[in-house]
Amino acid sequence: EAQVTQNPRYLITVTGKKLTVTCSQNMNHEYMSWYRQDPGLGLRQIYYSMNVEVTDKGDVPEGYKVSRKEKRNFPLILESPSPNQTSLYFCASSLLSSYSNQPQHFGDGTRLSIL
Amino acid sequence: GQQLNQSPQSMFIQEGEDVSMNCTSSSIFNTWLWYKQDPGEGPVLLIALYKAGELTSNGRLTAQFGITRKDSFLNISASIPSDVGIYFCAGQITSGGYQKVTFGTGTKLQVIP
Repeated sequence: EAQVTQNPRYLITVTGKKLTVTCSQNMNHEYMSWYRQDPGLGLRQIYYSMNVEVTDKGDVPEGYKVSRKEKRNFPLILESPSPNQTSLYFCASSLLSSYSNQPQHFGDGTRLSIL
Repeated sequence: GQQLNQSPQSMFIQEGEDVSMNCTSSSIFNTWLWYKQDPGEGPVLLIALYKAGELTSNGRLTAQFGITRKDSFLNISASIPSDVGIYFCAGQITSGGYQKVTFGTGTKLQVIP
């Protein structure tokens, strides 16, 4: 089954303790992206990647890192989490085509609480 | 970062009623997308629009890509209880290997049986 898989689904942790949220897709998509969702603000893009070893900042990258060493995986790293990073996080992926825009497929989300 | 203006923010409707929501932007997009998010899940694509003026249906859902390429609307006809959820519009630009997606703030739909 074609899917985007995020882990963990839920995490409660404390300020300053490094954490990683994994994202994996089995659709051979070039494009992968991370979003955070906060009430009243919709989905805001954190980082995206056009292909292996190619990453770039989205609209709200501060406090986050990403890496794209393999095509299928795109982990989100919080080196020193703070309470304002408490949010619902989504990973998404899509094909990249020169001929048409390809819609993104989303994972089921990771709810992070930073105390 | 840029966000799309999506309205209304929320709506309560009776089962069987039609629903309309829209998104506007100050920027041009070459694709408009509509997603639905159920509680505890990620957004799921409903309709994708690729050309200015395009009108596309998916069952009871109809969406249009505005002629100016700066807006889009989604209509749901004869609403049912399972239509409850948050609906997001998204504008997408892809150019020369670059892709940028901007999401609206969402419309929360409640359907009263």
